[in-house]
Amino acid sequence: GAGVSQSPRYKVAKRGQDVALRCDPISGHVSLFWYQQALGQGPEFLTYFQNEAQLDKSGLPSDRFFAERPEGSVSTLKIQRTQQEDSAVYLCASSRTREPSDNEQFFGPGTRLTVL
Amino acid sequence: GESVGLHLPTLSVQEGDNSIINCAYSNSASDYFIWYKQESGKGPQFIIDIRSNMDKRQGQRVTVLLNKTVKHLSLQIAATQPGDSAVYFCAEIISGGYNKLIFGAGTRLAVHP
Repeated sequence: GAGVSQSPRYKVAKRGQDVALRCDPISGHVSLFWYQQALGQGPEFLTYFQNEAQLDKSGLPSDRFFAERPEGSVSTLKIQRTQQEDSAVYLCASSRTREPSDNEQFFGPGTRLTVL
Repeated sequence: GESVGLHLPTLSVQEGDNSIINCAYSNSASDYFIWYKQESGKGPQFIIDIRSNMDKRQGQRVTVLLNKTVKHLSLQIAATQPGDSAVYFCAEIISGGYNKLIFGAGTRLAVHP
């Protein structure tokens, strides 16, 4: 496929469960971003990868959130001991480079996480 | 898919009219300003960007205006079509870094036939 894909599209977890969300970026894209989008809000930055290096994780809300991109392509966002406030849509985006002029990020459809 | 903009301000327009969506920003140190469109159940989609040293940029049926004096950004859509119905977000990229997007509040555009 030509676009960014994410799986699963929907995830329901019981409070306290661990979840793993997967992102397949566009092949060859250097930059990969994770965003969290609460209902009725704009996406909020979580973390950034340049290839396999996680260069910015300033947006991760707590140490229960962990992301990796070990081979510089597929990325996984893991949330441990999920809480109800973690319920949101988690969006992954990739861009060809990291340059500010390259501001067209390609977004996946998101994973909607609901924590009961 | 789920609705993105349940509690967002809504702009209602008639098909064929022009639409103007506004955004206020607070950071004076932004390099780029960008508009994204998000349809229900989908991720945001890039529409158009403008560099901070410009005040106007035109695309296909869209124009972005930047007023740095009052920190205001607008998106004008000409001859609005039903397919333009979506939530629109402005975003900015802070200078001196990489292409991390900081999104503003969204506006729902509803186009009526």
